[in-house]
Amino acid sequence: DADVTQTPRNRITKTGKRIMLECSQTKGHDRMYWYRQDPGLGLRLIYYSFDVKDINKGEISDGYSVSRQAQAKFSLSLESAIPNQTALYFCATRSTPGLATSNEQFFGPGTRLTVL
Amino acid sequence: KNQVEQSPQSLIILEGKNCTLQCNYTVSPFSNLRWYKQDTGRGPVSLTIMTFSENTKSNGRYTATLDADTKQSSLHITASQLSDSASYICVVTPQTGANNLFFGTGTRLTVIP
Repeated sequence: DADVTQTPRNRITKTGKRIMLECSQTKGHDRMYWYRQDPGLGLRLIYYSFDVKDINKGEISDGYSVSRQAQAKFSLSLESAIPNQTALYFCATRSTPGLATSNEQFFGPGTRLTVL
Repeated sequence: KNQVEQSPQSLIILEGKNCTLQCNYTVSPFSNLRWYKQDTGRGPVSLTIMTFSENTKSNGRYTATLDADTKQSSLHITASQLSDSASYICVVTPQTGANNLFFGTGTRLTVIP
């Protein structure tokens, strides 16, 4: 979905390196999320944000940090990458809930990260 | 144990045939259940949504059903097309903590000519 973009789309890095994944959205949504997807596992929530400078830990936040300096942008950082952080990373957005259908999350195209 | 289980893990069908994918969940109480389609190299895209009071929802050739009593949902695909090849993910939203969705591991569908 072109409304939610992620950069880079692919990244190979070495153990111990700092990595930043960027997410941008033009949907005007206030809520943004970072997930990782591993083979055989469902998407797992890393961090989420309800608004600028609001940060909330998800299920698997250890080893990750995020920054929300603008409504349209939500970045995910791996301070010191390790091989088991090799995964597909997805950013998602969601509008403020009010109706049942408004909890739809709109996903970006994903970033494939490989840590050697 | 994952609170959303999907079966089969993978499925191969001939173009034009129908198929049904299953989702069993233990999330309770829940607000709604969505089916997402995830094409290779893309993010998931919502196909259908059902609240706990709905039994069925259609989106073109996709029909989702929900039995809240048995905590089961199915996604039926009619007259499959090659473009239906994708992973299909069942996602349950709890009534509380709606930011913490429960994702199934998905069913990988391959439609062959």
